[in-house]
Amino acid sequence: EVHLEESGGNLVKPGRSLRLSCTASGFTFGDYAMTWFRQAPGKGLEWVGFIRSKAFGGTTEYAASVKGRFTISRDDSKSIAYLQMNSLKTEDTAVYYCTKGKYCRGGSCYADYWGQGNLVTVSS
Amino acid sequence: DIQMTQSPSSVSASVGDRVTITCRASQGISSWLAWYQQKPGKAPKLLIYAASTLHAGVPSRFSGSGSGTDFTLTISSLQPEDFAIYYCQQANSFPPTFGPGTKVDIK
Repeated sequence: EVHLEESGGNLVKPGRSLRLSCTASGFTFGDYAMTWFRQAPGKGLEWVGFIRSKAFGGTTEYAASVKGRFTISRDDSKSIAYLQMNSLKTEDTAVYYCTKGKYCRGGSCYADYWGQGNLVTVSS
Repeated sequence: DIQMTQSPSSVSASVGDRVTITCRASQGISSWLAWYQQKPGKAPKLLIYAASTLHAGVPSRFSGSGSGTDFTLTISSLQPEDFAIYYCQQANSFPPTFGPGTKVDIK
């Protein structure tokens, strides 16, 4: 059974950093792209970024709103994906979800399995 | 970026009703469209991908159709567990974008 579990969410002050982890099980992690989405309180879903599998170069893509501040990485030996968030802003406050990519076209994937979500609150 | 719109924004329905939700893309996306269901406080779940392919384990009362710019999600006979928000998402081009969601609630 596929399972994704995020951790690392917290309350942080603007300008600070935070790293989220996404621990995967139930599938061959290294074979799949992993995507991060977020959802601000009471709002819709927003794509944050994704990382391709090593077979496709392991490269990353980011939303314009986070590019240069957020970094996605992966450790296939541990089946973990990471979202490093620097220079956090109040508008980054959201529940962050990691997802497994099913079929991908360019930087866009269907997300067939989602983690439970992890709340990041950026506030002074 | 491709803009996704959904209609209606909300619909009130009864158990057993047939419900149809429409999603429109601002430009053609072939069949690169997914539908997700989200219940309060929970993560979204994939229902349909490639516009009409049911994800594993999703009940057959859910169906999807369309291609190009216009898509529909149909619930043939609404069940109590179907009351939720439904989102469409295009995966044709970068960045992936979502519709604003359609809330299905109890009449």
